[in-house]
Amino acid sequence: DSGVTQTPKHLITATGQRVTLRCSPRSGDLSVYWYQQSLDQGLQFLIQYYNGEERAKGNILERFSAQQFPDLHSELNLSSLELGDSALYFCASMKTGVPYGYTFGSGTRLTVV
Amino acid sequence: GQSLEQPSEVTAVEGAIVQINCTYQTSGFYGLSWYQQHDGGAPTFLSYNGLDGLEETGRFSSFLSRSDSYGYLLLQELQMKDSASYFCAVREAAGNKLTFGGGTRVLVKP
Repeated sequence: DSGVTQTPKHLITATGQRVTLRCSPRSGDLSVYWYQQSLDQGLQFLIQYYNGEERAKGNILERFSAQQFPDLHSELNLSSLELGDSALYFCASMKTGVPYGYTFGSGTRLTVV
Repeated sequence: GQSLEQPSEVTAVEGAIVQINCTYQTSGFYGLSWYQQHDGGAPTFLSYNGLDGLEETGRFSSFLSRSDSYGYLLLQELQMKDSASYFCAVREAAGNKLTFGGGTRVLVKP
């Protein structure tokens, strides 16, 4: 157990639907990063939150949004889902002041049918 | 923009040594990291280089040359369990996101 918790582990949904992925960072970590990994692809950065505030955005679609709550857990909302959104979605947290070392959650595998 | 280049695939036999190179182009540089990912699993942190030189952690070593924008991960005494994808990643500034390379799939054969 890495200490970063992601739920659900698997999600199957139909095109056009909306889903919410949840992430709880390691205790004490203020930063949360969301990444998308399509089949046999690298990790594409989506968005970063630090202590409740958005810090950076990557190639995140307008259909996707995220937030980080006061208890530091984060949610990634994906709407109007398309077949191409099928992927592994990872969140990672990082300890403030440490120059390296994300700790990743186990990921949510999203399948859009 | 940022880019990291690494080979897509490497095959080697058990007991061999494999070197995975990574070249990067970024506007800033705050360290090169390496991650291992088994199929269907989460990436796990392997190694970090903030300064030039070699860092050794057991059978794995990582090297960085900032002047050449180049690093490598060295896997020694390969074992079957080392079959996985390996990603290099760069942080351009403190606290910022990591940008990952496309990954190198390492296949270890008996």
